Amino acid sequence: AQTVTQSQPEMSVQEAETVTLSCTYDTSESDYYLFWYKQPPSRQMILVIRQEAYKQQNATENRFSVNFQKAAKSFSLKISDSQLGDAAMYFCAYRSGEAGKSTFGDGTTLTVKP
Amino acid sequence: NAGVTQTPKFRVLKTGQSMTLLCAQDMNHEYMYWYRQDPGMGLRLIHYSVGEGTTAKGEVPDGYNVSRLKKQNFLLGLESAAPSQTSVYFCASSPIRLVNDTGELFFGEGSRLTVL
Repeated sequence: AQTVTQSQPEMSVQEAETVTLSCTYDTSESDYYLFWYKQPPSRQMILVIRQEAYKQQNATENRFSVNFQKAAKSFSLKISDSQLGDAAMYFCAYRSGEAGKSTFGDGTTLTVKP
Repeated sequence: NAGVTQTPKFRVLKTGQSMTLLCAQDMNHEYMYWYRQDPGMGLRLIHYSVGEGTTAKGEVPDGYNVSRLKKQNFLLGLESAAPSQTSVYFCASSPIRLVNDTGELFFGEGSRLTVL
Protein backbone atom coordinates (compact mmCIF):
# COMPACT_ATOMS: atom_id res chain seq x y z
CA ALA A 1 0.00 0.00 0.00
CA GLN A 2 1.13 3.51 -0.73
CA THR A 3 1.87 5.93 2.07
CA VAL A 4 2.27 9.69 2.05
CA THR A 5 4.13 11.51 4.81
CA GLN A 6 4.08 15.22 5.54
CA SER A 7 6.57 15.80 8.33
CA GLN A 8 5.61 19.42 9.04
CA PRO A 9 2.27 19.71 10.85
CA GLU A 10 2.58 23.51 10.88
CA MET A 11 4.57 26.08 8.98
CA SER A 12 4.57 29.85 8.96
CA VAL A 13 5.87 32.38 6.49
CA GLN A 14 6.08 36.13 6.27
CA GLU A 15 4.01 37.74 3.57
CA ALA A 16 5.98 38.06 0.30
CA GLU A 17 8.52 35.48 1.44
CA THR A 18 9.04 31.94 0.15
CA VAL A 19 8.13 28.74 1.96
CA THR A 20 8.64 25.07 1.14
CA LEU A 21 6.34 22.29 2.31
CA SER A 22 7.74 18.77 2.41
CA CYS A 23 6.20 15.51 1.29
CA THR A 24 7.60 12.02 0.91
CA TYR A 25 5.81 8.94 -0.36
CA ASP A 26 6.35 5.25 -0.62
CA THR A 27 5.31 3.14 -3.57
CA SER A 28 6.45 0.27 -5.72
CA GLU A 29 4.51 1.52 -8.73
CA SER A 30 6.03 3.33 -11.67
CA ASP A 31 2.83 4.87 -12.97
CA TYR A 32 1.33 7.46 -10.67
CA TYR A 33 0.44 11.10 -10.11
CA LEU A 34 1.31 13.44 -7.28
CA PHE A 35 -0.73 16.41 -6.18
CA TRP A 36 -0.85 19.28 -3.75
CA TYR A 37 -4.32 20.31 -2.62
CA LYS A 38 -5.20 23.37 -0.58
CA GLN A 39 -7.99 23.38 1.98
CA PRO A 40 -8.92 26.85 3.29
CA PRO A 41 -11.26 27.31 6.27
CA SER A 42 -14.19 26.95 3.87
CA ARG A 43 -13.28 23.24 3.77
CA GLN A 44 -13.32 23.12 -0.04
CA MET A 45 -10.46 21.08 -1.50
CA ILE A 46 -8.68 23.02 -4.21
CA LEU A 47 -6.08 21.59 -6.56
CA VAL A 48 -2.85 23.59 -6.40
CA ILE A 49 -0.51 21.65 -8.65
CA ARG A 50 -0.03 18.19 -10.17
CA GLN A 51 2.94 16.13 -11.33
CA GLU A 52 2.92 13.02 -13.51
CA ALA A 53 5.57 10.53 -12.41
CA TYR A 54 6.85 9.96 -15.93
CA LYS A 55 7.64 13.65 -16.41
CA GLN A 56 11.10 14.70 -15.32
CA GLN A 57 10.35 18.39 -15.50
CA ASN A 58 9.06 19.92 -12.29
CA ALA A 59 5.55 21.34 -12.52
CA THR A 60 4.97 25.06 -12.06
CA GLU A 61 1.75 27.03 -11.63
CA ASN A 62 2.35 30.76 -11.21
CA ARG A 63 3.79 31.20 -7.68
CA PHE A 64 3.64 27.49 -6.93
CA SER A 65 6.28 25.01 -8.00
CA VAL A 66 7.36 21.55 -6.99
CA ASN A 67 10.65 19.79 -6.52
CA PHE A 68 9.99 16.23 -7.65
CA GLN A 69 12.76 13.80 -6.78
CA LYS A 70 11.51 10.47 -8.06
CA ALA A 71 14.39 8.33 -6.83
CA ALA A 72 14.16 9.83 -3.37
CA LYS A 73 10.32 9.69 -3.49
CA SER A 74 10.13 13.30 -2.48
CA PHE A 75 7.63 15.90 -3.67
CA SER A 76 7.97 19.32 -2.04
CA LEU A 77 5.87 22.40 -2.74
CA LYS A 78 7.44 25.84 -2.95
CA ILE A 79 5.24 28.90 -2.59
CA SER A 80 6.90 32.11 -3.71
CA ASP A 81 5.81 35.64 -2.82
CA SER A 82 3.44 34.28 -0.18
CA GLN A 83 0.09 36.01 0.15
CA LEU A 84 -2.40 36.16 3.01
CA GLY A 85 -4.79 34.11 0.88
CA ASP A 86 -2.31 31.24 0.82
CA ALA A 87 -3.05 30.51 4.47
CA ALA A 88 -4.66 27.07 4.53
CA MET A 89 -4.10 23.40 5.17
CA TYR A 90 -2.05 21.83 2.38
CA PHE A 91 -2.31 18.16 1.54
CA CYS A 92 0.09 16.10 -0.50
CA ALA A 93 -1.63 13.28 -2.36
CA TYR A 94 -0.58 10.24 -4.36
CA ARG A 95 -2.78 8.73 -7.01
CA SER A 96 -2.15 5.33 -8.53
CA GLY A 97 -2.29 5.37 -12.31
CA GLU A 98 -3.96 1.98 -12.46
CA ALA A 99 -6.50 1.80 -9.67
CA GLY A 100 -7.23 5.49 -9.50
CA LYS A 101 -7.24 5.54 -5.70
CA SER A 102 -5.67 8.51 -3.98
CA THR A 103 -3.77 8.51 -0.68
CA PHE A 104 -3.36 11.71 1.30
CA GLY A 105 -0.82 12.93 3.82
CA ASP A 106 -1.95 14.33 7.16
CA GLY A 107 -1.55 17.90 5.98
CA THR A 108 0.51 20.97 6.80
CA THR A 109 -1.17 24.05 8.22
CA LEU A 110 0.37 27.13 6.65
CA THR A 111 0.11 30.48 8.42
CA VAL A 112 1.00 33.66 6.54
CA LYS A 113 2.04 36.59 8.72
CA PRO A 114 1.43 40.13 7.50
CA ASN B 1 -21.52 24.36 -12.84
CA ALA B 2 -22.71 21.96 -10.13
CA GLY B 3 -19.71 19.59 -10.24
CA VAL B 4 -19.91 17.36 -7.17
CA THR B 5 -22.80 17.96 -4.79
CA GLN B 6 -23.18 16.41 -1.34
CA THR B 7 -26.31 16.31 0.75
CA PRO B 8 -26.84 16.98 3.55
CA LYS B 9 -24.12 19.49 4.50
CA PHE B 10 -24.66 19.00 8.23
CA ARG B 11 -26.32 16.31 10.30
CA VAL B 12 -26.52 15.40 13.96
CA LEU B 13 -27.35 11.80 14.84
CA LYS B 14 -27.84 9.82 18.00
CA THR B 15 -25.87 6.65 18.54
CA GLY B 16 -27.55 3.77 16.77
CA GLN B 17 -29.43 5.86 14.22
CA SER B 18 -28.96 5.32 10.52
CA MET B 19 -28.51 7.78 7.70
CA THR B 20 -27.42 8.10 4.11
CA LEU B 21 -25.15 10.68 2.53
CA LEU B 22 -25.79 11.37 -1.12
CA CYS B 23 -23.14 12.37 -3.62
CA ALA B 24 -24.10 13.47 -7.10
CA GLN B 25 -21.78 14.45 -9.94
CA ASP B 26 -22.70 15.85 -13.32
CA MET B 27 -19.35 15.41 -15.08
CA ASN B 28 -19.95 11.85 -16.31
CA HIS B 29 -17.03 10.60 -14.24
CA GLU B 30 -16.48 6.87 -13.88
CA TYR B 31 -14.70 6.93 -10.53
CA MET B 32 -16.29 8.08 -7.31
CA TYR B 33 -14.93 8.05 -3.77
CA TRP B 34 -15.95 8.63 -0.18
CA TYR B 35 -13.36 9.99 2.25
CA ARG B 36 -13.53 11.00 5.88
CA GLN B 37 -11.45 13.74 7.44
CA ASP B 38 -10.80 13.84 11.17
CA PRO B 39 -9.10 16.74 13.00
CA GLY B 40 -5.35 16.81 12.42
CA MET B 41 -5.51 14.06 9.86
CA GLY B 42 -5.67 13.79 6.15
CA LEU B 43 -8.41 12.23 4.10
CA ARG B 44 -8.90 8.53 4.54
CA LEU B 45 -10.64 6.47 1.89
CA ILE B 46 -13.79 4.69 3.05
CA HIS B 47 -15.15 3.15 -0.14
CA TYR B 48 -14.83 3.82 -3.82
CA SER B 49 -16.41 2.87 -7.12
CA VAL B 50 -14.86 2.44 -10.55
CA GLY B 51 -18.17 2.36 -12.35
CA GLU B 52 -21.91 1.94 -12.10
CA GLY B 53 -22.84 -1.11 -10.11
CA THR B 54 -19.36 -1.66 -8.66
CA THR B 55 -17.93 -0.73 -5.27
CA ALA B 56 -14.79 -1.56 -3.35
CA LYS B 57 -13.42 -1.08 0.15
CA GLY B 58 -10.88 1.57 1.01
CA GLU B 59 -8.74 2.02 4.12
CA VAL B 60 -11.51 2.44 6.70
CA PRO B 61 -14.68 0.70 5.44
CA ASP B 62 -16.01 -0.74 8.71
CA GLY B 63 -19.39 0.61 9.76
CA TYR B 64 -20.21 1.98 6.30
CA ASN B 65 -21.94 0.68 3.21
CA VAL B 66 -22.16 2.19 -0.25
CA SER B 67 -24.11 1.82 -3.44
CA ARG B 68 -23.63 3.04 -7.01
CA LEU B 69 -26.89 2.23 -8.75
CA LYS B 70 -26.55 5.15 -11.14
CA LYS B 71 -23.34 6.44 -12.63
CA GLN B 72 -23.89 9.95 -11.33
CA ASN B 73 -24.74 9.00 -7.73
CA PHE B 74 -22.70 7.42 -4.95
CA LEU B 75 -24.44 6.82 -1.62
CA LEU B 76 -22.73 6.34 1.72
CA GLY B 77 -24.76 4.68 4.44
CA LEU B 78 -24.31 4.38 8.17
CA GLU B 79 -26.53 1.58 9.45
CA SER B 80 -25.90 2.15 13.17
CA ALA B 81 -24.03 5.36 13.82
CA ALA B 82 -21.31 5.48 16.49
CA PRO B 83 -19.54 8.49 18.04
CA SER B 84 -16.33 7.35 16.31
CA GLN B 85 -18.01 8.19 13.01
CA THR B 86 -18.18 11.87 13.90
CA SER B 87 -16.22 13.41 11.06
CA VAL B 88 -16.33 15.48 7.91
CA TYR B 89 -17.13 13.37 4.89
CA PHE B 90 -15.97 14.23 1.40
CA CYS B 91 -17.15 12.80 -1.86
CA ALA B 92 -14.94 13.04 -4.92
CA SER B 93 -15.03 11.94 -8.52
CA SER B 94 -12.59 11.57 -11.38
CA PRO B 95 -12.73 10.47 -15.00
CA ILE B 96 -11.49 7.11 -16.19
CA ARG B 97 -7.88 7.08 -17.25
CA LEU B 98 -7.45 8.57 -20.69
CA VAL B 99 -4.49 9.94 -22.56
CA ASN B 100 -5.25 13.43 -21.36
CA ASP B 101 -6.49 12.51 -17.89
CA THR B 102 -5.14 14.95 -15.39
CA GLY B 103 -5.63 12.52 -12.53
CA GLU B 104 -7.27 15.23 -10.49
CA LEU B 105 -10.01 14.51 -7.98
CA PHE B 106 -13.04 16.79 -8.01
CA PHE B 107 -14.41 17.26 -4.52
CA GLY B 108 -17.74 18.11 -3.01
CA GLU B 109 -17.93 20.67 -0.23
CA GLY B 110 -18.01 18.13 2.55
CA SER B 111 -20.66 16.97 5.00
CA ARG B 112 -20.17 17.43 8.73
CA LEU B 113 -21.65 14.56 10.71
CA THR B 114 -21.87 14.54 14.49
CA VAL B 115 -22.89 11.41 16.36
CA LEU B 116 -23.91 11.97 19.97
